[in-house]
Amino acid sequence: DAGVIQSPRHEVTEMGQEVTLRCKPISGHDYLFWYRQTMMRGLELLIYFNNNVPIDDSGMPEDRFSAKMPNASFSTLKIQPSEPRDSAVYFCASSPETGSQETQYFGPGTRLLVL
Amino acid sequence: LAKTTQPISMDSYEGQEVNITCSHNNIATNDYITWYQQFPSQGPRFIIQGYKTKVTNEVASLFIPADRKSSTLSLPRVSLSDTAVYYCLVGKRPGRRALTFGSGTRLQVQP
Repeated sequence: DAGVIQSPRHEVTEMGQEVTLRCKPISGHDYLFWYRQTMMRGLELLIYFNNNVPIDDSGMPEDRFSAKMPNASFSTLKIQPSEPRDSAVYFCASSPETGSQETQYFGPGTRLLVL
Repeated sequence: LAKTTQPISMDSYEGQEVNITCSHNNIATNDYITWYQQFPSQGPRFIIQGYKTKVTNEVASLFIPADRKSSTLSLPRVSLSDTAVYYCLVGKRPGRRALTFGSGTRLQVQP
């Protein structure tokens, strides 16, 4: 399995622009998570889905952030409009419904820089 | 989720055993203890998970005392490639739910 796939790996944009981050979870995994990591705040959960349905979006910073999961193999995290303080590494992770060790598998992350 | 406390950083030398202790005084009865490892420019990676006593896999060992208020991740004979940030997490079957990462322990292995 290729693991969790994220694109793009790097994104540089200007303040006010729309940014869309993409994630392909591991096939068969029922849970998908979006995290954000910064030096100041560490690794924090933004939102997670179960069977394509958003379960907890309390970590989404504000209305500028939105996430969708139209099917089991694809999710997007959109920021519109982007601001410099959104600069961070965004990780997507997926997890199976069952398993002897219920671990989350993280993607390589998208490094976002908003100028 | 139970709050965890772990050292901010640790230094070691190649070939040494490294023990990282995590405190979780408010752990609940059905909470599991999970450790993740994160290398620079990569996402966290699952290392080990346990509920009580001792768990060992090919990467590490996890020691959990009877009161479960703390746990110790043991890395045998570390190498330079073990330089990373190690996170201790506590929660109910963490894989199914959101993970709450603390600040982690930054391990620096010297030659």
